[in-house]
Amino acid sequence: DQQVKQNSPSLSVQEGRISILNCDYTNSMFDYFLWYKKYPAEGPTFLISISSIKDKNEDGRFTVFLNKSAKHLSLHIVPSQPGDSAVYFCAATVSNTGNQFYFGTGTSLTVIP
Amino acid sequence: GAGVSQSPRYKVTKRGQDVALRCDPISGHVSLYWYRQALGQGPEFLTYFNYEAQQDKSGLPNDRFSAERPEGSISTLTIQRTEQRDSAMYRCASSPRDGGTDTDTQYFGPGTRLTVL
Repeated sequence: DQQVKQNSPSLSVQEGRISILNCDYTNSMFDYFLWYKKYPAEGPTFLISISSIKDKNEDGRFTVFLNKSAKHLSLHIVPSQPGDSAVYFCAATVSNTGNQFYFGTGTSLTVIP
Repeated sequence: GAGVSQSPRYKVTKRGQDVALRCDPISGHVSLYWYRQALGQGPEFLTYFNYEAQQDKSGLPNDRFSAERPEGSISTLTIQRTEQRDSAMYRCASSPRDGGTDTDTQYFGPGTRLTVL
């Protein structure tokens, strides 16, 4: 049973434009969410996170939005750069219960120069 | 400093053989996690340790899978009597704090690609 879902396996965006990656979850107990970025032949690397007490967290070109009522979060990348081309995983967890992360299936982002 | 390292990076084995996968976490990190990632999927939780104590092994698929972290640093994931369905990328991650009390980022290693023939 997939508790975290990324319904778009791939996304292509022109350089300089906004990339929006979406993630949905089913478990209402999740209260901490993360985005990881993965290049080929490397492990996932942490990108940005958000706690459920917030609805937005911004770090440079990356902003994560959380809509708790819809059980939906999104990652915005503005402006998109070719180096952002990677697979992006959304992850969720229930705080202070062991930190087990539940991952989505990933979205492959291609930024076209 | 050095990140999480895993060895071997690639392992090919015959069905029925035992394999041991090693994870060397970031120095000083309290928690260590094992995940399995099938092709086209996200990482799936297997087990986790705080220091040397295995806190949760609910994700281990069956009793052929076991893990240990005897000195609270390096961990080994062992799969006995491997089967073809065990073929996957096995990823290790570590976190600086106690996962039972403090939610924190996990830092992933490059993974071990296991192929069972």
